[in-house]
Amino acid sequence: ETGVTQTPRHLVMGMTNKKSLKCEQHLGHNAMYWYKQSAKKPLELMFVYSLEERVENNSVPSRFSPECPNSSHLFLHLHTLQPEDSALYLCASSQVRLAGGYNYEQYFGPGTRLTVT
Amino acid sequence: GQQVMQIPQYQHVQEGEDFTTYCNSSTTLSNIQWYKQRPGGHPVFLIQLVKSGEVKKQKRLTFQFGEAKKNSSLHITATQTTDVGTYFCLTYSGAGSYQLTFGKGTKLSVIP
Repeated sequence: ETGVTQTPRHLVMGMTNKKSLKCEQHLGHNAMYWYKQSAKKPLELMFVYSLEERVENNSVPSRFSPECPNSSHLFLHLHTLQPEDSALYLCASSQVRLAGGYNYEQYFGPGTRLTVT
Repeated sequence: GQQVMQIPQYQHVQEGEDFTTYCNSSTTLSNIQWYKQRPGGHPVFLIQLVKSGEVKKQKRLTFQFGEAKKNSSLHITATQTTDVGTYFCLTYSGAGSYQLTFGKGTKLSVIP
């Protein structure tokens, strides 16, 4: 399944580096999500963009900065990360919910395995 | 905030045995989704439940939503090695809300 792609697939960075994760969806969706998946912890929602507007920001440290230039692309800019930020970062997309309606299913990308040294 | 407890955390079964994972919420849910993540893979959507008491089936998988919309279960009959993976529930606190919470997941191992 190649509906949602993420690059790079693996990233090793030092604490002083600046890097960006990229996500692209080819499904015609209008909502995109960033998640963090750490060992022994549940999937943590970081950011949600709906119709290119940020609608959810779950108390994520400012060293993570999202960007959604259009409905097909989502970026996560990283700077001065900490070793505890090492994790699998997953991007997902979905249809935008109807007003008062239920959320549609999410389609996940393969993730970027990030290691902070 | 909304809390979701998913149990068990791990389950090892002999091939052919049944398997069940449960998600329990401290608050009433608007809807719940279930996902499966194979080892080394990413979560893949399985089903969505919306109505109180709803039951849906997909071949050997049966999904239930509690009458009070505070709990849900996923049951697999006669497990196969292809069922190996981690099963997650995803809950939403309000209809159309992006206030969502994933359960910790149940990791299923199937012994052939």
